[in-house]
Amino acid sequence: AQKVTQAQTEISVVEKEDVTLDCVYETRDTTYYLFWYKQPPSGELVFLIRRNSFDEQNEISGRYSWNFQKSTSSFNFTITASQVVDSAVYFCALNGGAQGGSEKLVFGKGTKLTVNP
Amino acid sequence: AAGVIQSPRHLIKEKRETATLKCYPIPRHDTVYWYQQGPGQDPQFLISFYEKMQSDKGSIPDRFSAQQFSDYHSELNMSSLELGDSALYFCASSPAGRVIQYFGAGTRLSVL
Repeated sequence: AQKVTQAQTEISVVEKEDVTLDCVYETRDTTYYLFWYKQPPSGELVFLIRRNSFDEQNEISGRYSWNFQKSTSSFNFTITASQVVDSAVYFCALNGGAQGGSEKLVFGKGTKLTVNP
Repeated sequence: AAGVIQSPRHLIKEKRETATLKCYPIPRHDTVYWYQQGPGQDPQFLISFYEKMQSDKGSIPDRFSAQQFSDYHSELNMSSLELGDSALYFCASSPAGRVIQYFGAGTRLSVL
């Protein structure tokens, strides 16, 4: 069975601080995909990034960066110089991809990030 | 760019009534997924369709049914509504290859 654990339920930081959201996953699939989604107070789910199990390169996109470590089954997300607009619930998710694995997304419980001015 | 369209955005129903939620995927996306998110919870997978055929099934109650039509839009039909069905219902779509799921804004269902 697939499982995603986000141990941090809530994080509160002051603007311009860096913050890292942790994500640990479990799967028996050899091919799988990891995702981060953002859910702002308005409620929609916004896709941020996808990483496949064969690509352990870290990725940076503006103030966002992701650290994928297969050895520890972790896919952590760092926001540099946080801003008030980053306040949201962030979900880490996992699926088995389209090659025979289950396509359904399995989500973690989410981490609520509050960035205070 | 076109996104996933869900209607209605908000729906209020009484217990034991029925509800129909609609989803219009991104053009040229052939797969549709439905998720249910209870208050303060993570989204839970309900059901998915690929090329109008059911492709996977999750924790969807027998009172719920869904289908995907020839134009790829999908409808989630919910009958004998219960208070516990109050939730945010998301539809997502993905293109061939079916890896990234793009979500609609959701339908917030309140059962009174």
